[in-house]
Amino acid sequence: AQSVTQLDSQVPVFEEAPVELRCNYSSSVSVYLFWYVQYPNQGLQLLLKYLSGSTLVESINGFEAEFNKSQTSFHLRKPSVHISDTAEYFCAAISSGSARQLTFGSGTQLTVLP
Amino acid sequence: ETGVTQSPTHLIKTRGQQVTLRCSSQSGHNTVSWYQQALGQGPQFIFQYYREEENGRGNFPPRFSGLQFPNYSSELNVNALELDDSALYLCASSLVPGGSYEQYFGPGTRLTVT
Repeated sequence: AQSVTQLDSQVPVFEEAPVELRCNYSSSVSVYLFWYVQYPNQGLQLLLKYLSGSTLVESINGFEAEFNKSQTSFHLRKPSVHISDTAEYFCAAISSGSARQLTFGSGTQLTVLP
Repeated sequence: ETGVTQSPTHLIKTRGQQVTLRCSSQSGHNTVSWYQQALGQGPQFIFQYYREEENGRGNFPPRFSGLQFPNYSSELNVNALELDDSALYLCASSLVPGGSYEQYFGPGTRLTVT
């Protein structure tokens, strides 16, 4: 069975500071990994994904995540956060060969302070 | 390109009642997945529909059922509502095969069971 663990439920950080949101997965087969963002009272938006190839993937708004197979991690980072980055962030995984069902972590609330 | 839409946005039901939630998939997508997101938690996979057939199911009882129509829209039905069914219900559409494993989420339906 596949599982996704987000190690921090809440991460407060000051504006323009760097941030890392941690995600670990466990799977006996190859996985595809995703980060989704959820703003209050909204659905989920895909932030970035890792399917294959380069282990470092980037989003259009400055976030990046690195797939680390040996540590089974897919941590999300941003070198300088903005107030508008305040949201809930979910790490998710799909096992290859499955019905493409996403398994989500419990989420990390990122709060950017002025 | 039309995104994923869900209706209604909110509804309140009484324990024991039945509810139907609706989802229109993104243009060009043929697969619909449903997720339940309880307050403060990550989304949990309920089931997925592909070519009008259930194609994978999570750990939910049979009183959770669904349909997919020829135009790829979908319904989620829940019978004998329980208080614990109170949650945000998210619909996601995708293209199978191909589609880079991305799932596009709607804004969700907030169900409150009293």
